Amino acid sequence: TQLLKQSPQFLSIQEGENLTVYCNSSSVFSSLQWYRQEPGEGPVLLVTVVTGGEVKKLKRLTFQFGDARKDSSLHITAAQTGDTGLYLCAGAPLGNTGKLIFGQGTTLQVKP
Amino acid sequence: EAGVVQSPRYKIIEKKQPVAFWCNPISGHNTLYWYRQNLGQGPELLIRYENEEAVDDSQLPKDRFSAERLKGVDSTLKIQPAELGDSAVYLCASSLSGAAGTEAFFGQGTRLTVV
Repeated sequence: TQLLKQSPQFLSIQEGENLTVYCNSSSVFSSLQWYRQEPGEGPVLLVTVVTGGEVKKLKRLTFQFGDARKDSSLHITAAQTGDTGLYLCAGAPLGNTGKLIFGQGTTLQVKP
Repeated sequence: EAGVVQSPRYKIIEKKQPVAFWCNPISGHNTLYWYRQNLGQGPELLIRYENEEAVDDSQLPKDRFSAERLKGVDSTLKIQPAELGDSAVYLCASSLSGAAGTEAFFGQGTRLTVV
């Protein structure tokens, strides 16, 4: 069974602080995605990483895919209240096109 | 362009009653997913369709859950009979294809409460 473990599960910080969310697995994934979900809505894709060691930046968000493609991280610089939400990583297993395995999510609360 | 549309948004039923959810994916999207999500947790795949064919239903509790995607477009997910533990948000998603790394677009979900 391929599992994606996210840490921390909950994070409450003040506006302006930096944070990092981790997504780890013992399995290799062909690609990994990060989604953000607000209450009452479905998840929305933030980024897809496919190459080991890849780093992608989206404004204040930096995403990294581990060299072995087993783990990923999301770093937010100078968090804003609008960053509040549930952050989900999702991996596509090798050789199983179309399947997405989600981590359990990290709930981020950014206080003003 | 309209996104993935799900209905109803909310449903409250008594245990042992049947319930059905409906999903209209984005036009042209061949792959359709049904996920179940408990509060504060990540979505868990129930079933994945490629056009009208269910290609992955290994996580679908087949004794009470059923799904169909007639004509490879709209889809319905049914639970009969519902149990208390079925209370969750049921999310439908679609993507252009089932290729790894393809973006999945999610609907707003149906929040089911079984009492």
